[in-house]
Formats: sequence, C-alpha cells, structure tokens
Amino acid sequence: NAGVTQTPKFRVLKTGQSMTLLCAQDMNHEYMYWYRQDPGMGLRLIHYSVGEGTTAKGEVPDGYNVSRLKKQNFLLGLESAAPSQTSVYFCASSHFRESTGELFFGEGSRLTVL
Amino acid sequence: AQKVTQAQTEISVVEKEDVTLDCVYETRDTTYYLFWYKQPPSGELVFLIRRNSFDEQNEISGRYSWNFQKSTSSFNFTITASQVVDSAVYFCALSGQGGSEKLVFGKGTKLTVNP
Repeated sequence: NAGVTQTPKFRVLKTGQSMTLLCAQDMNHEYMYWYRQDPGMGLRLIHYSVGEGTTAKGEVPDGYNVSRLKKQNFLLGLESAAPSQTSVYFCASSHFRESTGELFFGEGSRLTVL
Repeated sequence: AQKVTQAQTEISVVEKEDVTLDCVYETRDTTYYLFWYKQPPSGELVFLIRRNSFDEQNEISGRYSWNFQKSTSSFNFTITASQVVDSAVYFCALSGQGGSEKLVFGKGTKLTVNP
C-alpha cells in the first residue's frame, strides 16, 4: 500500500549546498511529476517525465534538475540551493496520458534553505 | 492560457453547516477536465473527482456534491453537513487537451470546520 514515497520528508540546507529528493512509485505509472507548493501560490509544476529516460520542463524549472533512470523513480536535484527554493515539494504519478489529471501524490518533502 | 481561480482563500464554518467552495476556470480548449483535490493537515493531496467538459451533470457522493456549469465556467464543490474531518485545503484543477502534464491548480481554499 505504498503508492508514492518521497525521501527525505524534511531537510534543512545552507545556501549553495546541493541535495536530491527521491520519489518512488510502485504503481507502474508512466508519468511522474515534481511540484512545489508555496503559501498562496497553489501547486506549480517544476519538471515532469512521461516515461523512463525522458524528462521535460514545467512551469518553474529554473534551479532544478531531474532524472528518470528507472520507471519507478524520479529524482529532483538542487545543484546550488537558494532561499527562494524553500518550499514543500510534492512528487506525483499518473497511469497514462488519458488519465488526464488523476494524480497520485506523495506526502511531501519540506525543504528549508537558510 | 489556462487558469483556475479559487477566490475564497479561507472559509470557517461550524460543524453541520453546509459550505460551498467556488472554482472558476479559463481555457480555450474544447475538451478539458476539471478536478478537485483535498489536502488534509497530513499534507498528502487526495483526488476527489474528475469531470470532463462534455458532462455537465452534477454529481453527488455522500455529503459531497459538485456543480459544473459551462455557461459560467464554474465547478463548485459543496459539502453538506460539514464535519471536523472535512477541515483541509481544497484545490480545484484543470487539464486541457495537453494532457495531465498541463494540469493547472488553483491556489486552494482552506476550510476549517469548528466543533
């Protein structure tokens, strides 16, 4: 009953440090997404992947990189963290394009950049 | 461009009251899908409903009901006889012909149900 799992759940970084958020899904979904949630801003798409080995930019991709080396995993990297990247990050997955938006979300990862 | 507006930032009601969460959308696509997601205090977003643009029938699921009106570009969500467990942030979302990677969320409405 795992669904979408994100690690770590919490992390504090200093400006300039790097880190990677890991998302794993056990539903054999083709599509995976990384969103960030900020107060009063709703959810904004950072990057997404439509299949193993593919990635694409979303609405707010700057400062982030992603990789999808395995179908079940989607990694979000911050090469040089900035305070503006303090946020709650959500990973999501969906079965296929025609699912048209029924996403399954992880529990979120709260990142603070000092 | 697609846009979802949830004008109500926060709503506070007393248990057993009915409450309606408003959602207004903008899209040029002729085929599109509307969604509501719930984010309880635990943080994880939970899918509640999907409605496509060709189906304007209202839907009821227990205490939840949804009113889709293309004429006013609205997809409102009503909770009848609210309960404390309904306290959450509710997001309305829209995806057009671009598929789920083009899903656009509103900013959310925080609902607090007081005992």
